[in-house]
Amino acid sequence: QQPVQSPQAVILREGEDAVINCSSSKALYSVHWYRQKHGEAPVFLMILLKGGEQKGHDKISASFNEKKQQSSLYLTASQLSYSGTYFCGTQGGTTSGTYKYIFGTGTRLKVLA
Amino acid sequence: DAGVIQSPRHEVTEMGQEVTLRCKPISGHNSLFWYRQTMMRGLELLIYFNNNVPIDDSGMPEDRFSAKMPNASFSTLKIQPSEPRDSAVYFCASSARLEGNEQYFGPGTRLTVT
Repeated sequence: QQPVQSPQAVILREGEDAVINCSSSKALYSVHWYRQKHGEAPVFLMILLKGGEQKGHDKISASFNEKKQQSSLYLTASQLSYSGTYFCGTQGGTTSGTYKYIFGTGTRLKVLA
Repeated sequence: DAGVIQSPRHEVTEMGQEVTLRCKPISGHNSLFWYRQTMMRGLELLIYFNNNVPIDDSGMPEDRFSAKMPNASFSTLKIQPSEPRDSAVYFCASSARLEGNEQYFGPGTRLTVT
């Protein structure tokens, strides 16, 4: 049930681009993206609601394909500060009417100077 | 504006002892989440509350784990008795509402059970 992220790990040089994918086997209401640096708490990046929207934040953007139950995070012109582990958090409905919230497997990203 | 506050930040205890983790959510937030993070299992949702009411506790691993939210500004996660496999970082997070809102995480409590 845990959303699967790919790749599991990626190493970039400063200025390079990266794409992180999140795929769920369940119908989704929303997808959240977080970044966690070593020894720290996850920090919210952005949220996408169903409807196929795309969002951007500086040089980080994301898309959500509700039909495919997939989301992608795009990192453009990466900076050293982008290093960390990226998690998608998916929120889907349950038969009881509650919203199950599950984090993905994580993608470790390291940006080298 | 203060973020989510957790205490203690570090806890070392012996197997069999009771452990209580505390969380103060962001003022005005209606939803509170408890997570556990380990290398092996990643970030797991244990339980979440909405308006102080537990909504889904299916992630609580065993009956040794219990959580309460007596009011809108305080929640506890209790482990009794603790076991070495409970060693992990426990995060508390809050959000303004349950659906479609970002979660703000506290700094976490690193629990070590020897």
